[in-house]
Amino acid sequence: QVQLHQWGAGLLKPSETLSLTCAVSGGSFSGYYWNWVRQPPGKGLEWIGDINHTGYTNYNPSLKSRVTISMDTSKNQFSLNLSSVTAADTAVYYCARGQIGDFDSWGQGLLVTVSS
Amino acid sequence: ESVLTQSPGTLSLSPGERATLSCRASESVNSAYLAWYQQKPGQAPRLLIYGTSTRATGIPDRFSGSGFGTEFTLTISRLEPEDFAVYYCQRYGSSPRYTFGQGTKLEIK
Repeated sequence: QVQLHQWGAGLLKPSETLSLTCAVSGGSFSGYYWNWVRQPPGKGLEWIGDINHTGYTNYNPSLKSRVTISMDTSKNQFSLNLSSVTAADTAVYYCARGQIGDFDSWGQGLLVTVSS
Repeated sequence: ESVLTQSPGTLSLSPGERATLSCRASESVNSAYLAWYQQKPGQAPRLLIYGTSTRATGIPDRFSGSGFGTEFTLTISRLEPEDFAVYYCQRYGSSPRYTFGQGTKLEIK
């Protein structure tokens, strides 16, 4: 049973960089896409981007200029960096495992608040 | 950009009733790449249906999905108390790679 556990800073000031990491346990890192999804308070889901086991990334064009997703296969971890955050980036951030088309396992979510 | 529009926004039903949730796409979606999720307050989404109609592991058979092209439906045949939640459809495609509908809230009448 794969498990995803995520962590990172929960409170940021405007213009800072959001950094989150997701650790994968109980399953293979290979053969999947590793995703980041966010959900502003009381709103719907937005896909941020993904990375596969070879390091190939895809990003949402709406965030592409500020997003970097990376991975450390030796630790079965992948990370999200989102630069120049504003209040509009306040959201619960989820990591999720997927194959093409759907996400079958999710992290517990982490609320990141951007406030001066 | 392909947009997914879910209806209704809120659906009020009683346990034991049948729920029908709609997801309409602005562009045709490959049926292999349409999924549904359930989300309860304070929890991560849970995959219910993938490939339009295939139930994910452990999902009860009262949940079913159907559709083609731009019109997709999630049906819950007989509502149980634990089914009251928010439901999202999701499509895989291009630019962006994934989009979600805005959600349908299924509430107890």
